[in-house]
Formats: sequence, C-alpha cells, structure tokens
Amino acid sequence: KAGVTQTPRYLIKTRGQQVTLSCSPISGHRSVSWYQQTPGQGLQFLFEYFSETQRNKGNFPGRFSGRQFSNSRSEMNVSTLELGDSALYLCASTLWASGDSDTQYFGPGTRLTVL
Amino acid sequence: DQQVKQNSPSLSVQEGRISILNCDYTNSMFDYFLWYKKYPAEGPTFLISISSIKDKNEDGRFTVFLNKSAKHLSLHIVPSQPGDSAVYFCAARYNNNDMRFGAGTRLTVKP
Repeated sequence: KAGVTQTPRYLIKTRGQQVTLSCSPISGHRSVSWYQQTPGQGLQFLFEYFSETQRNKGNFPGRFSGRQFSNSRSEMNVSTLELGDSALYLCASTLWASGDSDTQYFGPGTRLTVL
Repeated sequence: DQQVKQNSPSLSVQEGRISILNCDYTNSMFDYFLWYKKYPAEGPTFLISISSIKDKNEDGRFTVFLNKSAKHLSLHIVPSQPGDSAVYFCAARYNNNDMRFGAGTRLTVKP
C-alpha cells in the first residue's frame, strides 16, 4: 500500500505570494491533518479534515486554509506569505476506523522557503 | 502556548546503553500520549503510545512511562542501537482533538 505523498517536495516563494500544497493520504484513509514544523516550535497542528469537512483547527491565522476533496486528497493554502512561514509542512493521514484512530502516518513533507 | 515540552534538545548515549527521553505537559485534560521518531528528510513515524489510564506500555526495546501526578512521561530505549539515532517527538491529545507536539529531542547513539 502506497504511503502518504506530498507535492511539491520543495518550494521557494517570495513574501506576499500565496502557495498551495497537496497531500494524498494512504488509500482508504479518511482523515488528513496538516502540521508545520520549524526548528524552534517543533511540530504544530494546523488543521484536520475528515470527509471533506474541517474537524479541528489549530492556532494559526486565517492566511492558512485547507480543503479536502471527495477522494480524501487534501490541499492547504497559505496566502500573503511571510518570512516566518518558512517551514516543513507535514501531512498525516489516519484511517479513523475502530482501533486505529490514534496512529497517524506522515508524508515526507513540503519544504517551503519564503524569501 | 507550549503545552508539551521536551526540555532536552539533544541526547547522546553509547550503543547498548539505555536512552531516556523526557517529556512534560501542562494540560491535565490530555488523555493519550504518543512518541514519534523522525529521520532526516522523512515524515515522523509512530513509535509507541500510552493511554492516561495506564502508567506503562512496553513494545520490544521501547517502553513509555506516564506519571500523571507529575505530568511527565518518558521513553526508554533498551538497549540503544545506532539505528535509533533520530529526532523523537512527544505528543499529547484529548478527546481526539488536535495533537500537541514537543519540540523534539535529537538522540545520537554512538557505536
């Protein structure tokens, strides 16, 4: 079974631009969560989607948004990029069936650099 | 707000010895705790978890201990192997809400 895939793997943008990152979960997984990883803050939760609905949201400004499609693929969008948005963005998928609700499978991440 | 803290950014141990990674949390509502391991250029992988109703969970060389009164958990790796060298993240959640992660501890196991 293929793992979680994220595209692109690397991205360079300038301040003020916007960016869209894509995540394809493991086949059959219905929940997708997004995380931001920075050296100083570690992993921080952005939001979670389940069945095309945002179910949970972390403490990030409205510039960060996401969506999930009917095939469970998810995108996250960051508008008006700031230098501090430079980070590794990780996507994780979860089956959300009985007995498997706790294990998240992470993708390799998208490294975003904002200049 | 940093609800989950890993105060040691790095740890170095000799192969065959015990590695102890520590994690503290502030939110008493957390009811499930997890440890993830992350190699460079890869996403974190789930390692071991523990429910708040337990104080110990063991899986092979990995054991997680939970001390609820102290709001502290630790991961023990015995014996440590060079392949265990990675960054370890502690995570906590409650009511299936979003997980909170610590900043990570880089473990180096020397041959």
